[in-house]
Amino acid sequence: DTGVSQDPRHKITKRGQNVTFRCDPISEHNRLYWYRQTLGQGPEFLTYFQNEAQLEKSRLLSDRFSAERPKGSFSTLEIQRTEQGDSAMYLCASRVQGSGNTIYFGEGSWLTVV
Amino acid sequence: QKEVEQDPGPLSVPEGAIVSLNCTYSNSAFQYFMWYRQYSRKGPELLMYTYSSGNKEDGRFTAQVDKSSKYISLFIRDSQPSDSATYLCATTTQGGSEKLVFGKGMKLTVNP
Repeated sequence: DTGVSQDPRHKITKRGQNVTFRCDPISEHNRLYWYRQTLGQGPEFLTYFQNEAQLEKSRLLSDRFSAERPKGSFSTLEIQRTEQGDSAMYLCASRVQGSGNTIYFGEGSWLTVV
Repeated sequence: QKEVEQDPGPLSVPEGAIVSLNCTYSNSAFQYFMWYRQYSRKGPELLMYTYSSGNKEDGRFTAQVDKSSKYISLFIRDSQPSDSATYLCATTTQGGSEKLVFGKGMKLTVNP
């Protein structure tokens, strides 16, 4: 399968713990995006990378959230000191620069904070 | 007022019906318009992508954009039970932010 891959698919954690999600974009896609989706809502933009550079961050991305893409390939999204409000699906997406706005989403990583 | 408004439904139709899904948006800077389909507990899948006002057809799906009234629509002809999913409209600006702005999504059920 050559789609966007996310791991883990599901994570249950206790409030206050740290969690990390990984995203492997489609090969050669230089732009990578993170979105968050809560039940009954559309995805909300969090941040995006062009290669290894993080070029845009949403105000939703509080200081407890950090995203990296160290070698311009896979990316990680870490949430520190999780809160119940962080429970959501975290979606990764990627595209090739110059391909218009046709971005491809992964299956998402579900986070439940108890 | 949210930037993109979409009636969340749910909408239930019999197999073979024509389905009409709609969104409105408030920002004139939005230039690109997309429809995504999302099955339960899966990531969104791009269905249609349009830039200008007018219609774009792909098989049983037609996307319509009216920039003068800031209104976008997706029509599904001869709906099938496999079309049962949540449909999300999305939009973005031209040459500006990379972020997509989504509607809430409309949950559609096509009954056999």
